[in-house]
Amino acid sequence: SYELTQPPSVSVSPGQTARITCSGDALPKKYAYWYQQKSGQAPVLVIYEDSKRPSGIPERFSGSSSGTMATLTISGAQVEDEADYYCYSTDSSGNHRGVFGGGTKLTVL
Amino acid sequence: EVQLVESGGGLVKPGGSLRLSCAASGFTFSNAWMSWVRQAPGKGLEWVGRIKSKTDGGTTDYAAPVKGRFTISRDDSKNTLYLQMNSLKTEDTAVYYCTTELGYCSSTSCYWGPPDYWGQGTLVTVSS
Repeated sequence: SYELTQPPSVSVSPGQTARITCSGDALPKKYAYWYQQKSGQAPVLVIYEDSKRPSGIPERFSGSSSGTMATLTISGAQVEDEADYYCYSTDSSGNHRGVFGGGTKLTVL
Repeated sequence: EVQLVESGGGLVKPGGSLRLSCAASGFTFSNAWMSWVRQAPGKGLEWVGRIKSKTDGGTTDYAAPVKGRFTISRDDSKNTLYLQMNSLKTEDTAVYYCTTELGYCSSTSCYWGPPDYWGQGTLVTVSS
């Protein structure tokens, strides 16, 4: 079955740039989406269609995709950005099943 | 305001069945693709399956681990989404989230968008 691979953890100091990667064989042909999930809460979409930011999401969140890798960048990470981040895409089957990456724990301290 | 409220979770024995419901409001439910996503305790998100709007065919798609055991359905007259879970296994233990899914079909193709709005989830525990 199709998989999206993320690093388990990323750690930065406040004000630094955090980069979280997501690799998948179908990403050259499929959009990547990114979610933020804080402890005990439902996920929130922070990036859609590789690089677009929903309204209400701070400008420090950005996304990019090249080849088989998508990247979520948080420029000037803040303490409140500490959370789990998941990439999402669909597989290349005719059913376009949804797939989440394993998640990355971002620590900002 | 979009609201999704799941119900029906609880404790069930392996091999048992359970039906989850999701009451939707704040948007035109009949036009929406809907999906279920689950999260095992302390683990990551797992897409379970989707149902398209009736306008787009009303068809369903499922993740491999649940295909043949789980069934997603909808009652547009009640603005309610369902997840019928049969032959439950201990590894199905998770919080189950109801979500809208940003998908639609045009005359020539379909756009398979991501889960968008999420409910707060309902816990299903499969244990003897």
